[in-house]
Amino acid sequence: RKEVEQDPGPFNVPEGATVAFNCTYSNSASQSFFWYRQDCRKEPKLLMSVYSSGNEDGRFTAQLNRASQYISLLIRDSKLSDSATYLCVVDSGGYQKVTFGTGTKLQVIP
Amino acid sequence: ETGVTQTPRHLVMGMTNKKSLKCEQHLGHNAMYWYKQSAKKPLELMFVYNFKEQTENNSVPSRFSPECPNSSHLFLHLHTLQPEDSALYLCASKLNTEAFFGQGTRLTVV
Repeated sequence: RKEVEQDPGPFNVPEGATVAFNCTYSNSASQSFFWYRQDCRKEPKLLMSVYSSGNEDGRFTAQLNRASQYISLLIRDSKLSDSATYLCVVDSGGYQKVTFGTGTKLQVIP
Repeated sequence: ETGVTQTPRHLVMGMTNKKSLKCEQHLGHNAMYWYKQSAKKPLELMFVYNFKEQTENNSVPSRFSPECPNSSHLFLHLHTLQPEDSALYLCASKLNTEAFFGQGTRLTVV
C-alpha cells in the first residue's frame, strides 16, 4: 500500500461547483497534514494545514479523520483560477520525512 | 517568495558534463530535501538531510550526488546523466511544520 494515496483525476467541474478530494495515508503515527497546490510547471505551494478539528479558509475546507486515516479538501464555488493539481502531504515526524501524494488534478471549466 | 532559492532556474547539459544545482535557505530550517518531478509524474523524494546529515537516500543512482555543507545550503552534483533524468528538480526545507519549496531547476539532458 502506498504511504499516501490520492485519486489522480482529472476532476473537470463547472465554475461555481463544489468539489471534494480525499487522500488516505498508511502510517497511523503521522503527525502533520497539509494540502499543497501545484500549478503547471511550477513548484508546490502550501494551500492549508489540516487539523483534527477541521479548518476553513474562505472557499476551502480541510478535514482530518485520524480513525479512518484520511484527509479531505472541499472547494466551494469553484473559480477558473482553482485549476491546478492538489497535493496531499503527510509528515511522519521522526527525521522529518515528508511524503507527497501523487496529486489530484482539477480543471474548472467555464 | 518562500525564502528557498534555487539556482540555476534552467540548465541544459550534455551526458558527459558535470554540473551542480544549488539550494539556499536562511529561514533557520534544519531539514532540506531534493525532489525530482518528471513530466506529468508525481514528486519523487530523492534525498533528505537533517542537521546536515543525510537521513534518506531513496535509491537514487550514484550519478546524483548530494552535498550539504551546512544547514542553509544543499547541492546536487550531477555527472554522466541520461536523457531520462530531464526533469524539474525541487529543493524544499522545513523546521517543524510545513515544507517550503524553491522554484526548482528545470534540467534538460541532451
